[in-house]
Amino acid sequence: DTGVSQDPRHKITKRGQNVTFRCDPISEHNRLYWYRQTLGQGPEFLTYFQNEAQLEKSRLLSDRFSAERPKGSFSTLEIQRTEQGDSAMYLCASSHQTGSGNTIYFGEGSWLTVV
Amino acid sequence: SQQGEEDPQALSIQEGENATMNCSYKTSINNLQWYRQNSGRGLVHLILIRSNEREKHSGRLRVTLDTSKKSSSLLITASRAADTASYFCATGINTGNQFYFGTGTSLTVIP
Repeated sequence: DTGVSQDPRHKITKRGQNVTFRCDPISEHNRLYWYRQTLGQGPEFLTYFQNEAQLEKSRLLSDRFSAERPKGSFSTLEIQRTEQGDSAMYLCASSHQTGSGNTIYFGEGSWLTVV
Repeated sequence: SQQGEEDPQALSIQEGENATMNCSYKTSINNLQWYRQNSGRGLVHLILIRSNEREKHSGRLRVTLDTSKKSSSLLITASRAADTASYFCATGINTGNQFYFGTGTSLTVIP
């Protein structure tokens, strides 16, 4: 088991450009989460998938953000028309559903810098 | 909004001492998890404690949970320089689909 992997690890983009991040969860984990973290803050929940279904979305996820998990395995997070305020680390996590609480495992994150 | 709040925000101790961090939260939870994050890296899961548990141990870590006070504590015994990191608590509410993080405690262990 190689853990949660994210790609790219770092991305610098110009304001107004689109960016896409990919997350490969731990195999057989049916739950996948996206979080955003800025400097000095804790991670903020963005969205959550169970298999291929996107079940919850945060208010933070504006219409410029879209996440998919087409086959219930890897997921992509796309940010359109990036703004400087989008600069952050985007964290992906996955877990296996259990009845009494599930441990979520994080990837190393994808750093986005919008210039 | 973020549910958990860690206290203190920063903690500096000598190697070999114990470190205690606290987490307070606002609403009923299903479980609470503690994570460590080294600078610029992802979060590493340390321990999960369910709402019906009061204490859990894992190696040098001891976590307590007091649901009546809506608080948890993480104790790291015999600290090492490698324990230097930020520590976050994450509260799982309802079915645990969402986890809310605080702003973390920055721990520095001086060799």
